[in-house]
Amino acid sequence: AQSVTQLDSQVPVFEEAPVELRCNYSSSVSVYLFWYVQYPNQGLQLLLKYLSGSTLVKGINGFEAEFNKSQTSFHLRKPSVHISDTAEYFCAVSGHSGGSNYKLTFGKGTLLTVNP
Amino acid sequence: DAMVIQNPRYQVTQFGKPVTLSCSQTLNHNVMYWYQQKSSQAPKLLFHYYDKDFNNEADTPDNFQSRRPNTSFCFLDIRSPGLGDAAMYLCATGRLAGGQETQYFGPGTRLLVL
Repeated sequence: AQSVTQLDSQVPVFEEAPVELRCNYSSSVSVYLFWYVQYPNQGLQLLLKYLSGSTLVKGINGFEAEFNKSQTSFHLRKPSVHISDTAEYFCAVSGHSGGSNYKLTFGKGTLLTVNP
Repeated sequence: DAMVIQNPRYQVTQFGKPVTLSCSQTLNHNVMYWYQQKSSQAPKLLFHYYDKDFNNEADTPDNFQSRRPNTSFCFLDIRSPGLGDAAMYLCATGRLAGGQETQYFGPGTRLLVL
């Protein structure tokens, strides 16, 4: 079984400040890791994913995340946020092996609010 | 552009009146998912199809059913909606290839039950 913990339910920041959204996971098998963003009344949009290879993953909209296997973390970062980054951010994991292990397990989400 | 489409975007129904939500995809993905998302919560998986094979989550109420007549379309039927079924319903698709899968989500249908 897998689980995801997003340590902060809400993160307020000022525009142009850096931000880090934290995500830790627990799994007995190797995992794939994802960050999704959800704007109000919209579906989830894939920001970035870690499947294998380089532990630093770059995504859309200037976001990046680093996979740390020893700390079982996959924190999302952006060096300078914009008002338009205000949204809910979900971290998710899935397993490698077949069948139901491909299903996503989501964290509870972090609401990022960017203030002027 | 290849995409996941959900119709309608907003649906209002009456307590106990059956409702059907639809999802279509142009991605030609072999897996389709239905999620329920309540306010300020993570999406909760209801069921998924791997090709035509239907997989129901253990805690999905019997009130919820699904049909996938072909690769492109998938429907969510709520037989007798209750007030607690008001939520955003998200459809997602995925393609299993090379031992990995990424899910792509539609814009969602927000269901209101009166």
